[in-house]
Amino acid sequence: DAGVIQSPRHEVTEMGQEVTLRCKPISGHDYLFWYRQTMMRGLELLIYFNNNVPIDDSGMPEDRFSAKMPNASFSTLKIQPSEPRDSAVYFCASSYNRDEQFFGPGTRLTVL
Amino acid sequence: QKEVEQNSGPLSVPEGAIASLNCTYSDRGSQSFFWYRQYSGKSPELIMFIYSNGDKEDGRFTAQLNKASQYVSLLIRDSQPSDSATYLCAAANAGKSTFGDGTTLTVKP
Repeated sequence: DAGVIQSPRHEVTEMGQEVTLRCKPISGHDYLFWYRQTMMRGLELLIYFNNNVPIDDSGMPEDRFSAKMPNASFSTLKIQPSEPRDSAVYFCASSYNRDEQFFGPGTRLTVL
Repeated sequence: QKEVEQNSGPLSVPEGAIASLNCTYSDRGSQSFFWYRQYSGKSPELIMFIYSNGDKEDGRFTAQLNKASQYVSLLIRDSQPSDSATYLCAAANAGKSTFGDGTTLTVKP
């Protein structure tokens, strides 16, 4: 299996622009997680899905952030409008049993 | 107080020694505990998980859990330079994982 796939790997955008991050989980994994990692705040869970349904979105920082999972093989995390403080590495992870998570390579987002 | 706290580090050990990494958590509802290894510029990789009190061994790694003390540890025996990385401790409650800030380990040849 190719593992969790994320795109793009790097994104540089200007404040106010919309940013869309994409994730393809490992086939057969029913759980998908979105994380954000910064030096200041560490690794934070933003939201997770089970069978394409959002289960816990309490980590989503504010209404500018939204996540969707239209099918079992694709999820997006959208930031609109983006702000400099959103600069971070965003990881997607998937799991077959919720607990043992396999992380993707991450998307490094820079908002100027 | 952070929900998951780890030794601030950095931790440096000589090659072949035992590295001991510690973690405490505050949420008594936490049911599952994990250790991830993260190399610089890479994504976290799960190396150990433990659900029950006691020890769990996997090769050179041993995870220890004491729910009464809300304490989790990871021992790495016969440390190798390739073990040099940041180790993240995580506690999960109903699927929601909370991570510590990590401890950076350096194994010196």
